[in-house]
Amino acid sequence: EDKVVQSPLSLVVHEGDTVTLNCSYEVTNFRSLLWYKQEKKAPTFLFMLTSSGIEKKSGRLSSILDKKELFSILNITATQTGDSAIYLCVLVFLNAGNMLTFGGGTRLMVKP
Amino acid sequence: SQTIHQWPATLVQPVGSPLSLECTVEGTSNPNLYWYRQAAGRGLQLLFYSVGIGQISSEVPQNLSASRPQDRQFILSSKKLLLSDSGFYLCAWSVVGPGELFFGEGSRLTVL
Repeated sequence: EDKVVQSPLSLVVHEGDTVTLNCSYEVTNFRSLLWYKQEKKAPTFLFMLTSSGIEKKSGRLSSILDKKELFSILNITATQTGDSAIYLCVLVFLNAGNMLTFGGGTRLMVKP
Repeated sequence: SQTIHQWPATLVQPVGSPLSLECTVEGTSNPNLYWYRQAAGRGLQLLFYSVGIGQISSEVPQNLSASRPQDRQFILSSKKLLLSDSGFYLCAWSVVGPGELFFGEGSRLTVL
């Protein structure tokens, strides 16, 4: 059973729309939650969240972690076609190997 | 600064042939190293991770193996490729801590 579940699986919006991507998880013993954006090749890092309730912001993107309700969201405002990508949520576990569990990803398509 | 190199970028191999994908990291010591495989349009599946030279942990039983002959070198291998081995393979590294993961550019393997 998946420990990290992302929703929706895919999303199609128009430029200028605001989107909210969800990541829910079942475990509590993790170091951090990461968000990545993947276009054609390697994922690129967006945010690292370690504390609950503290919003991280970068331009039009923002993210927050809720450790009580076991979820994180990634918001993108005023979307652009360049935001089209797969967005990955990752949990980093508390062990020597920094085990990571990836969610299945949300595929976002932004139409002009 | 740290960099990660992964090669080859693209590989087309016949069924039953061997495989070797190589990954090296520069600018850091004793990194945790990972091999991931990504199905088309979806999240990443952890194949192997290593916390040190010669220390390999396998997450998914399969046709592949990994080795870490040097501190900053990680190799993914197969003696006989299967059709189902086709996919996009990503090498990554991290240091112990909150767990930001840095990815190589990826290798797209097609087994015919």
